[in-house]
Amino acid sequence: EAQVTQNPRYLITVTGKKLTVTCSQNMNHEYMSWYRQDPGLGLRQIYYSMNVEVTDKGDVPEGYKVSRKEKRNFPLILESPSPNQTSLYFCASSTLSTGTGGRKTQYFGPGTRLLVL
Amino acid sequence: GNSVTQMEGPVTLSEEAFLTINCTYTATGYPSLFWYVQYPGEGLQLLLKATKADDKGSNKGFEATYRKETTSFHLEKGSVQVSDSAVYFCALSGSGNTGKLIFGQGTTLQVKP
Repeated sequence: EAQVTQNPRYLITVTGKKLTVTCSQNMNHEYMSWYRQDPGLGLRQIYYSMNVEVTDKGDVPEGYKVSRKEKRNFPLILESPSPNQTSLYFCASSTLSTGTGGRKTQYFGPGTRLLVL
Repeated sequence: GNSVTQMEGPVTLSEEAFLTINCTYTATGYPSLFWYVQYPGEGLQLLLKATKADDKGSNKGFEATYRKETTSFHLEKGSVQVSDSAVYFCALSGSGNTGKLIFGQGTTLQVKP
């Protein structure tokens, strides 16, 4: 079954304790992205990756890191989490269409709900 | 810059009522437009999309038409069911190469029996 998986689904942590949220897709997609969802704000892009070893900042990258060492995996790293990073996080993936990278359908993972105390 | 505005919710309807959720956008170039649905406790699922002006996307009884003249992509359904209760997001994807989706703030729909 084609899918995007995220782990963990729920996480409670404390300020400053490094954490990683994993994301994996089995569709051989080049493009992967992380979003955060906050009430009244919709989803905002944190980081994205066009392919292995190619990553770039989205709209709200502060306090986050990512890596893309393998095509299928795109972990989100919070080196020193703070309470304002309490949110619902979604990973997404898609193929890329040449010259019109945004037009392909993005497939979303089930979400990771993070609470930073 | 690009942006999406959705009507504020929550929207509460009785079963079999007609649904409209308004969505307007601001964008340069020729964006693709999407509606995503988020059922309680789940991730986002693509509901329908349209990639050029006057295209109509449809799925599961939902429809939306890409109106360039009014920069709108309103979601409609003729007869809602309790199972349609969810949060609906309008989104656009520009012609740039970042692949980024710009989302509206989401509209919660509650359908009562």
